Amino acid sequence: AQSVTQLDSQVPVFEEAPVELRCNYSSSVSVYLFWYVQYPNQGLQLLLKYLSGSTLVESINGFEAEFNKSQTSFHLRKPSVHISDTAEYFCAVSDLGGNKLVFGAGTILRVKS
Amino acid sequence: DVKVTQSSRYLVKRTGEKVFLECVQDMDHENMFWYRQDPGLGLRLIYFSYDVKMKEKGDIPEGYSVSREKKERFSLILESASTNQTSMYLCASSLSRDITYEQYFGPGTRLTVT
Repeated sequence: AQSVTQLDSQVPVFEEAPVELRCNYSSSVSVYLFWYVQYPNQGLQLLLKYLSGSTLVESINGFEAEFNKSQTSFHLRKPSVHISDTAEYFCAVSDLGGNKLVFGAGTILRVKS
Repeated sequence: DVKVTQSSRYLVKRTGEKVFLECVQDMDHENMFWYRQDPGLGLRLIYFSYDVKMKEKGDIPEGYSVSREKKERFSLILESASTNQTSMYLCASSLSRDITYEQYFGPGTRLTVT
C-alpha cells in the first residue's frame, strides 16, 4: 500500500520569497504523483502531476515539482510566491492503475505581505 | 469544464439521524469518490464507484454506505450520524479512459453532528 508524508503542516513565507513544500511517498510499485491545491472555502484543484517522462513538471502559475525516485520525493517549489498562493496543498500518489489516490495530510502555505 | 456539485455546503444534524449527502457530476465520468477531510489527516477515501450500482470500500467505510443508481449521481449515507462524523466531505469524479487520472472535486459539504 502507498503512503504519503508531507513534512510540514504549515509554511509561512513573505511575498516574493521562494518556497518549497516537501512530500515523500512510500510504495512497492511504480506510482503516479500529484499536487492538488485547495483555496479557502473551495474544493481541490489539480496543480500538477507526474506520470512519466521528464522528472520536472510545471504548472501554469509558476509552481514546479521534481520526481526523485531514489529519494522517493516529489517536492513542490515556487521561486517567488504571491499573496494569492495562500492555500492548502496536498500531495497524492496512485499506483499505475491510477484510479485511487492516497493523500498526504496537507501543508498550509501562508503568504504574508 | 467539468462540474461536480454537492447538495449542501453546510449541514447540521443531530446524533442518530440518517444523513444523505448528494453529489452530481455533469461530464459522464465513470468513477466517483467520497472523501472525508479532517485537519492534519488530509483526505481519506470512504467509498468509490467505478460504474452504476457498483461500489467498493475505501480506507474508512465504517458507519457509511453509498448508492449509485445513475451514472451522474453518487450518494453518501450516514445511517445513524455520530459526533465523530463531524467533518468536511468531498466528492470527486474521474474518467476511466483518461490516462492522466485527474480527479475533479466538488466544493465540499461541511457536516456538523450535534
